[in-house]
Amino acid sequence: NAGVTQTPKFRVLKTGQSMTLLCAQDMNHEYMYWYRQDPGMGLRLIHYSVGEGTTAKGEVPDGYNVSRLKKQNFLLGLESAAPSQTSVYFCASSSTSGVYNEQFFGPGTRLTVL
Amino acid sequence: RKEVEQDPGPFNVPEGATVAFNCTYSNSASQSFFWYRQDCRKEPKLLMSVYSSGNEDGRFTAQLNRASQYISLLIRDSKLSDSATYLCVVEGGQNFVFGPGTRLSVLP
Repeated sequence: NAGVTQTPKFRVLKTGQSMTLLCAQDMNHEYMYWYRQDPGMGLRLIHYSVGEGTTAKGEVPDGYNVSRLKKQNFLLGLESAAPSQTSVYFCASSSTSGVYNEQFFGPGTRLTVL
Repeated sequence: RKEVEQDPGPFNVPEGATVAFNCTYSNSASQSFFWYRQDCRKEPKLLMSVYSSGNEDGRFTAQLNRASQYISLLIRDSKLSDSATYLCVVEGGQNFVFGPGTRLSVLP
């Protein structure tokens, strides 16, 4: 099993450009999450999904959109990139959000917006 | 008040030392608690879940105090390989809230 994979690993964008980050998991997990991590701020939840076809906003959703058309994939879109979106983006999945349940993370995407 | 707060760190300790990390959370309804470890420029990985009665895994001991909304992680006999950032994570309904992390450097 590959676990959680993310594409691409690195990306540089210019302000105003758009892009889509792809997250894929092969563990048949129901829940998937997108986080961003900035120095000194820990991981902040952008959007999450509790199942195929459903999405919900997290702590910092502005400027991002997501889609979960297939259970194994969770896409994060930036419609018009801004320098404030320079960050490391992590995708994660879990079987549920229940007690003692583990999140599995992808390796991250390092995004720079110039 | 932030939802999850941790010791700011960094902690620089010699090999063999015992070190303790503290974490407080604000959501009294939270039911699940975890410690994750994150190596530099890597993804977080689960270190251990935190059970109500406290739990131990080798050199690592986690404690939960629901009344004080406080979680701790104790590392005994520190190894160089324990150098990492330790993230306190609290379940908040359908998702998880991460603390900012505490960085540990174990020195030879």
